[in-house]
Amino acid sequence: GDSVTQMEGPVTLSEEAFLTINCTYTATGYPSLFWYVQYPGEGLQLLLKATKADDKGSNKGFEATYRKETTSFHLEKGSVQVSDSAVYFCALTGNQFYFGTGTSLTVIP
Amino acid sequence: NAGVTQTPKFQVLKTGQSMTLQCAQDMNHEYMSWYRQDPGMGLRLIHYSVGAGITDQGEVPNGYNVSRSTTEDFPLRLLSAAPSQTSVYFCASSYRETGHYGYTFGSGTRLTVV
Repeated sequence: GDSVTQMEGPVTLSEEAFLTINCTYTATGYPSLFWYVQYPGEGLQLLLKATKADDKGSNKGFEATYRKETTSFHLEKGSVQVSDSAVYFCALTGNQFYFGTGTSLTVIP
Repeated sequence: NAGVTQTPKFQVLKTGQSMTLQCAQDMNHEYMSWYRQDPGMGLRLIHYSVGAGITDQGEVPNGYNVSRSTTEDFPLRLLSAAPSQTSVYFCASSYRETGHYGYTFGSGTRLTVV
């Protein structure tokens, strides 16, 4: 069945460091891929999405490219800020919506 | 503001008590769902609905009931609360079941069963 696997956390980075959170997927058909962010005490918010192969989703300095050949959708940001501290979820939608287990990011000044 | 509204935000129950978690959306979304979030386990689907009058089970439905009498509302009922149901519960909605437009989440209900 469809599934999403994302890197284990927690991840701790210094401010202005480069961020990569890995996400790979298994799916039949042609899913759409998403990254959601959850700030402390809040619900999940859509960060970015890509609906077909080679699409790049971007928002707030974050980017992810839909790679069909490697079945990946890695999240990247060139320079993280303290305000980026949150839990990040990779997700896909095919017949249903599937979430990864989440990766906690802490950015220290 | 348009979105998904969940109430209450916090709740403490005693084992065996029942309660209803409320969820309402004003975006005319067909699809609504309930998830629970537990440490290290991500989000797990409890129940979902593809439209008024239609509900179905997700991955972890035991101990929960739902109904969808209107497009806007999708309450989740705990029949007899157990400590294993201590969790954070999220309601989500989408224009379509497949969620290609993404899901909109409520802010969550933190439930503790003692």
